[in-house]
Amino acid sequence: QKEVEQNSGPLSVPEGAIASLNCTYSDRVSQSFFWYRQYSGKSPELIMSIYSNGDKEDGRFTAQLNKASQYVSLLIRDSQPSDSATYLCAAYGQNFVFGPGTRLSVLP
Amino acid sequence: EPEVTQTPSHQVTQMGQEVILRCVPISNHLYFYWYRQILGQKVEFLVSFYNNEISEKSEIFDDQFSVERPDGSNFTLKIRSTKLEDSAMYFCASSEGPGREYGYTFGSGTRLTVV
Repeated sequence: QKEVEQNSGPLSVPEGAIASLNCTYSDRVSQSFFWYRQYSGKSPELIMSIYSNGDKEDGRFTAQLNKASQYVSLLIRDSQPSDSATYLCAAYGQNFVFGPGTRLSVLP
Repeated sequence: EPEVTQTPSHQVTQMGQEVILRCVPISNHLYFYWYRQILGQKVEFLVSFYNNEISEKSEIFDDQFSVERPDGSNFTLKIRSTKLEDSAMYFCASSEGPGREYGYTFGSGTRLTVV
């Protein structure tokens, strides 16, 4: 199994909807998890981190971690066109390992 | 807000030449990293640096690559004898503490084009 896997998308949602982004990871990268947003041609920007099972909310973003299923997700509420970007899941083993990213498109 | 600064933003070099990519991490950060992203592909780890030495490196980071912190502010990546496949966006990142706790702050990147 690849260390961090994501559906490449694109995921299209209408403005105002909830966008749900998913990520699975292997045993080798299981200490902590981060979501980054990357606009085309730009560097990754940290959105939030999660270490413990359950949900963590930060504004319109909610990260969910299920260690038993090796699954991390990011929910974006009230999606805006400015949220259109590639979302990178990163898991920490000895260093950050990034997934390939899911491209999100929020349609006005 | 503090930033990680990278120069140049774009570098074009001929195959076989050496390039030095420069980074100024956030001033109170102690951990430094280089990542690269080939166009359309995922962000890949190259090397981490702490306490003036390499702490981890990937398989990509072979003898062609080296890193240095020549003074108290700069962190450089040297690529010797560049190849066409070295063309990528190179990101420097830094963190205040161990990345597993703090996450990384990335610079805006240097786009390296080898021709």
